[in-house]
Amino acid sequence: GEDVEQSLFLSVREGDSSVINCTYTDSSSTYLYWYKQEPGAGLQLLTYIFSNMDMKQDQRLTVLLNKKDKHLSLRIADTQTGDSAIYFCAESMHDYKLSFGAGTTVTVRA
Amino acid sequence: DTAVSQTPKYLVTQMGNDKSIKCEQNLGHDTMYWYKQDSKKFLKIMFSYNNKELIINETVPNRFSPKSPDKAHLNLHINSLELGDSAVYFCASWGSLSGNTIYFGEGSWLTVV
Repeated sequence: GEDVEQSLFLSVREGDSSVINCTYTDSSSTYLYWYKQEPGAGLQLLTYIFSNMDMKQDQRLTVLLNKKDKHLSLRIADTQTGDSAIYFCAESMHDYKLSFGAGTTVTVRA
Repeated sequence: DTAVSQTPKYLVTQMGNDKSIKCEQNLGHDTMYWYKQDSKKFLKIMFSYNNKELIINETVPNRFSPKSPDKAHLNLHINSLELGDSAVYFCASWGSLSGNTIYFGEGSWLTVV
């Protein structure tokens, strides 16, 4: 959406770290989310972060939030072929309506 | 048990037809949504219901009519289908008991020919 922007493509070698970036415009966002969509499948929630946090780590996933710059990133450590998918950044306000970015297609090459 | 289930998963139909997509959640949530994902994978909210009441109605043609018979169900009816309606439609739900997690259904792939 126009309120949430992401780069469209990312190619990464298996075993390397992937970093997917996202910027948003609404400073009143309460939560920011990362969803994963594999081909022909639905949306899988990977992780989310509250807007007053700077970082959240969950196994191979690290989310960094720079609220001043309205910048969100998702780092995937030790990227595997099963991580190939589209990754969506989304923001929500108090009504839990999600505004999605256009999605970043991550391709993992051997 | 699937938390948010949609039927049908795939639907191919001709222009001009009327079709419905059904959604049910067994999470006890009060709020349900319909999102549309177009051919470029762009996701946008269409509607949101809270306790059977419409609370979000984005700019959607009035050929699309959501119906919520009870808070566990939110169906999407589409009249006079057009080629541009071809998309993936996702149902989702949220409730205070699920914290900040919005649960999505598996999607319904609609193709209008």
